[in-house]
Amino acid sequence: AQSVTQLGSHVSVSEGALVLLRCNYSSSVPPYLFWYVQYPNQGLQLLLKYTSAATLVKGINGFEAEFKKSETSFHLTKPSAHMSDAAEYFCAVSKRGATNKLIFGTGTLLAVQP
Amino acid sequence: DAGVTQSPTHLIKTRGQQVTLRCSPKSGHDTVSWYQQALGQGPQFIFQYYEEEERQRGNFPDRFSGHQFPNYSSELNVNALLLGDSALYLCASSLAGQDSNYGYTFGSGTRLTVV
Repeated sequence: AQSVTQLGSHVSVSEGALVLLRCNYSSSVPPYLFWYVQYPNQGLQLLLKYTSAATLVKGINGFEAEFKKSETSFHLTKPSAHMSDAAEYFCAVSKRGATNKLIFGTGTLLAVQP
Repeated sequence: DAGVTQSPTHLIKTRGQQVTLRCSPKSGHDTVSWYQQALGQGPQFIFQYYEEEERQRGNFPDRFSGHQFPNYSSELNVNALLLGDSALYLCASSLAGQDSNYGYTFGSGTRLTVV
């Protein structure tokens, strides 16, 4: 079985500060890992994905994540937070292969203070 | 290129009623998945349709059913609504046979409130 744990349901940072959102996964098989962002009253937008190529993955809007197998982690970072980054962020895992279902974490709400 | 379109955007229903939600996939996609996102929770997989058949199903009761049409659009039906069915229902489309690393395209969702 696969699962995802996101530590910290709410994270608050100052504008310009480092953003670190934590995600740990459990999977009996090599997984695919994803980060999605959800703005209020909107659907999910893919930020980045790990698919077994480079362990450091760069995504949109300056975000990146590093896959660490030994720590079963896939934390999301951004060097400098912007007000527009305020949103909810979801980590998700899926099995490799054709269009397997996504299993999501409970999400982390990021607040950015001026 | 239109993305995933869901209708309606908001819906209020009474306990015990039935509801139908609709989804048109992104152009070129032939597989539709439905997710339920309760308030403060991550999305949970309901089921996936391909070639007009249910291919995968999550841990949801039979009150939740679906349909896919020849044009790849899909409906989600929920019978005997409970207060706990109140949630944002997300539709995601993809291309069958394409590895899941390509990810899904999500719609903006239908907000269902059961009173």
